[in-house]
Amino acid sequence: NAGVTQTPKFRILKIGQSMTLQCTQDMNHNYMYWYRQDPGMGLKLIYYSVGAGITDKGEVPNGYNVSRSTTEDFPLRLELAAPSQTSVYFCASRDQGTPGTQYFGPGTRLLVL
Amino acid sequence: AQKVTQAQTEISVVEKEDVTLDCVYETRDTTYYLFWYKQPPSGELVFLIRRNSFDEQNEISGRYSWNFQKSTSSFNFTITASQVVDSAVYFCALSTGGATNKLIFGTGTLLAVQP
Repeated sequence: NAGVTQTPKFRILKIGQSMTLQCTQDMNHNYMYWYRQDPGMGLKLIYYSVGAGITDKGEVPNGYNVSRSTTEDFPLRLELAAPSQTSVYFCASRDQGTPGTQYFGPGTRLLVL
Repeated sequence: AQKVTQAQTEISVVEKEDVTLDCVYETRDTTYYLFWYKQPPSGELVFLIRRNSFDEQNEISGRYSWNFQKSTSSFNFTITASQVVDSAVYFCALSTGGATNKLIFGTGTLLAVQP
């Protein structure tokens, strides 16, 4: 049971490039989340999904897009990378039957230069 | 508005000392959940504990204990006889549940345990 997995672990992007951060969970969780963590700060919610085909914005959605075509996968898309998107990105999931406990992936460290 | 405050940015202790990490939260909801997560130097986020607003019992798990006080809106975390392996950033978080169950995180407390 791998839990929540994220790829890549680390990536360097040039300004204006695009990329997709992958997130997969094998726990059959309905709810999935994307957070970003800036240095010295807590995590802030970018987007979340309550099930396949349903997504919604979080606190800091600008510059990102998501899709949820399957229960397992919740990719995060950066279309035009900007230095302000340099951060560590965490994906999380939770089961509807376990209110409140989110389980996190290992994170993706992104550097935009 | 919902908010979590961890006023202690960094704490440094010597091994075997006890240390308490403070967490103060704000919410108008009567049903909510409080969490602590640990982020070791390797970077992953490890779930430690969840408390709901109707359960004010303190909890002890080995060297870890949590003190939840609704009267002061606090959910403090104590490590007894700290060890070097406890060195990490600790985050307190709040959720009001519901359909989305979004987590509101504090800014974290960096705990450094010196040998």
